[in-house]
Amino acid sequence: IAGITQAPTSQILAAGRRMTLRCTQDMRHNAMYWYRQDLGLGLRLIHYSNTAGTTGKGEVPDGYSVSRANTDDFPLTLASAVPSQTSVYFCASSVSAGVGYNEQFFGPGTRLTVL
Amino acid sequence: GQNIDQPTEMTATEGAIVQINCTYQTSGFNGLFWYQQHAGEAPTFLSYNVLDGLEEKGRFSSFLSRSKGYSYLLLKELQMKDSASYLCAVRDSNYQLIWGAGTKLIIKP
Repeated sequence: IAGITQAPTSQILAAGRRMTLRCTQDMRHNAMYWYRQDLGLGLRLIHYSNTAGTTGKGEVPDGYSVSRANTDDFPLTLASAVPSQTSVYFCASSVSAGVGYNEQFFGPGTRLTVL
Repeated sequence: GQNIDQPTEMTATEGAIVQINCTYQTSGFNGLFWYQQHAGEAPTFLSYNVLDGLEEKGRFSSFLSRSKGYSYLLLKELQMKDSASYLCAVRDSNYQLIWGAGTKLIIKP
């Protein structure tokens, strides 16, 4: 693989179900991010990880959890899905979280529908 | 609060020049990014500005004025493939990106 992969590509989920969105990068980037993108709104940060073993809350963390057991993987879990979590979810990574270029590279996204 | 403003939609003609503006109010400033996003795809990096002035990269240029909280993305010699949304994002004092809602650019032949 090259870059960032996400799985699944799309999913329809019943409300109340648990769901984990997977994200894997092979660029050895230290920082990783989860965003949601909704029509008419900018990308909103859900959770982030500056390095393996650490995570932090973004702008909209409620109802979501993450873990960062190693450098490559950054799964996002919805413990009990609700319809307002219907969105497109993007995982991203950058070399580091500090100053300088550090542009973020994005995965292809997961389109999630909660009914 | 933090705010990034950019026009919702713009239309331009193939071969022409278009300027997409972005104004921002954020808690701290550690750089401004422009990304391109084609419909149904992921955002891809276009440019980065941290100092005032113009950064040129081929047909695309990006300008920053930190004192005015203002940036623009200039696209020259427009091609049909430039039809996309253009996202402005500011890295704040926590080194997190704050994103605008994006400008949908429609190119007409």
